[in-house]
Amino acid sequence: GDSVTQTEGPVTVSESESLIINCTYSATSIAYPNLFWYVRYPGEGLQLLLKVITAGQKGSSRGFEATYNKETTSFHLQKASVQESDSAVYYCALNSGGSNAKLTFGKGTKLSVKS
Amino acid sequence: AQTIHQWPVAEIKAVGSPLSLGCTIKGKSSPNLYWYWQATGGTLQQLFYSITVGQVESVVQLNLSASRPKDDQFILSTEKLLLSHSGFYLCAWSLMDWGYEQYFGPGTRLTVL
Repeated sequence: GDSVTQTEGPVTVSESESLIINCTYSATSIAYPNLFWYVRYPGEGLQLLLKVITAGQKGSSRGFEATYNKETTSFHLQKASVQESDSAVYYCALNSGGSNAKLTFGKGTKLSVKS
Repeated sequence: AQTIHQWPVAEIKAVGSPLSLGCTIKGKSSPNLYWYWQATGGTLQQLFYSITVGQVESVVQLNLSASRPKDDQFILSTEKLLLSHSGFYLCAWSLMDWGYEQYFGPGTRLTVL
């Protein structure tokens, strides 16, 4: 079946430092799945951060970027300068489509940003 | 704007007791609906999906059932809770022409004792 592996947390970064959360995927039913990053801020629900549905493309939102690399089957999340408000749990996910459009998630990476 | 509401926010239940969790989506007509579950320390996994009223498909067998009695309502239930049912339950919706992105409700935290 499909699987997603991401950086194990927790990850602690100082404010204004750069961040990368690694994500690699394996999709067995489709060559190029849709890829997503979701985020859960403290006390809030799971929100879509960004998505990319075309291999080779880059998605961006709130200063975060992720590039769909089909050669390395990766979708790493990056930010040049993190802020304390970025503290949250980040989930990488893929969707292979089909009738159930199942999202397959990674385990999540808890990010803490120190001021 | 579309909104998704889940109830209750949290539940503490005894093993063997029944359970009913609900989800309502407003502002979208005929969405696809999903139930996801995350055990403590585990990975979010899809349990059920529904593409139309009255039709629900099971993805993972966990001694749970789901129903969609109305276009905007999705119910998750069981007659006998197990300890292993503890965790976080999320309802989500999508429209198939939106690249399969799904939008999640706030979730229900279930503790089975």
